[in-house]
Amino acid sequence: EAGVAQSPRYKIIEKRQSVAFWCNPISGHATLYWYQQILGQGPKLLIQFQNNGVVDDSQLPKDRFSAERLKGVDSTLKIQPAKLEDSAVYLCASSSNRGLNTEAFFGQGTRLTVV
Amino acid sequence: QKEVEQDPGPLSVPEGAIVSLNCTYSNSAFQYFMWYRQYSRKGPELLMYTYSSGNKEDGRFTAQVDKSSKYISLFIRDSQPSDSATYLCAGIVSRAGKSTFGDGTTLTVKP
Repeated sequence: EAGVAQSPRYKIIEKRQSVAFWCNPISGHATLYWYQQILGQGPKLLIQFQNNGVVDDSQLPKDRFSAERLKGVDSTLKIQPAKLEDSAVYLCASSSNRGLNTEAFFGQGTRLTVV
Repeated sequence: QKEVEQDPGPLSVPEGAIVSLNCTYSNSAFQYFMWYRQYSRKGPELLMYTYSSGNKEDGRFTAQVDKSSKYISLFIRDSQPSDSATYLCAGIVSRAGKSTFGDGTTLTVKP
C-alpha cells in the first residue's frame, strides 16, 4: 500500500514570497490533515478535511494560509506571503472514512525555510 | 502552560537497556493517549494508543496511563539502535478529535 505522498521535500523561499505544498493521501482515505511542525516542537494541526469539507481550521492563520482539497483526494496548502516564522516542516496525514486520529498515517513532510 | 509536556532529553542509553519515556498533561478531557516515533527527516509513525487509564503492551513496547496523576509513559524493553528517534506523545478527547502533541523526547540507543 502506497503511503502519503508529499512534494516538494524541501523548499527555500524569501520572506513575502508565496509557496505551495501538495499532498496525495492514501487511496480511499477520506480524512486529510495538514500539520505544522516547528523545529524542536510537536506537530500542530492547521486544518482537517473530511472529503471536500473542512472539519477544523481553528489554528490556520487564515490571513496568509489557505488550503483546498479538490475532488476529495489531493490537497494543496499555500502560504502567501511567507514570514520567517513559517519556517517549519509541513506534514500531511490521512485516515480512513471514520476520521480517526488513531488510524492516521503521516507523509514525510515538506521542509520550508524562509530567509 | 502547554497541554502536553515532555522532557526533551536528549536521552542516551546502551543497547539492551529498558527505556522510560514520560509525559504529563493538563487537559482532563483527554481520553486517548498516543505514542509516535519520528525518525530524522521523516513523518511521525504511530506506535500505539491507549484509552483511559491502564497498560497496553505491543512487543517490546508498553504504554501506561495514570489519569489520576495525568501521567503517561512509554517503556521500551531490550532497546535497539533502530529505536533511536524522537518519541512524541499526544492526547485526544475522542478518537476523531484533534491531537495535541508534546514536543518530543530524543532517544539515542548506543550499540
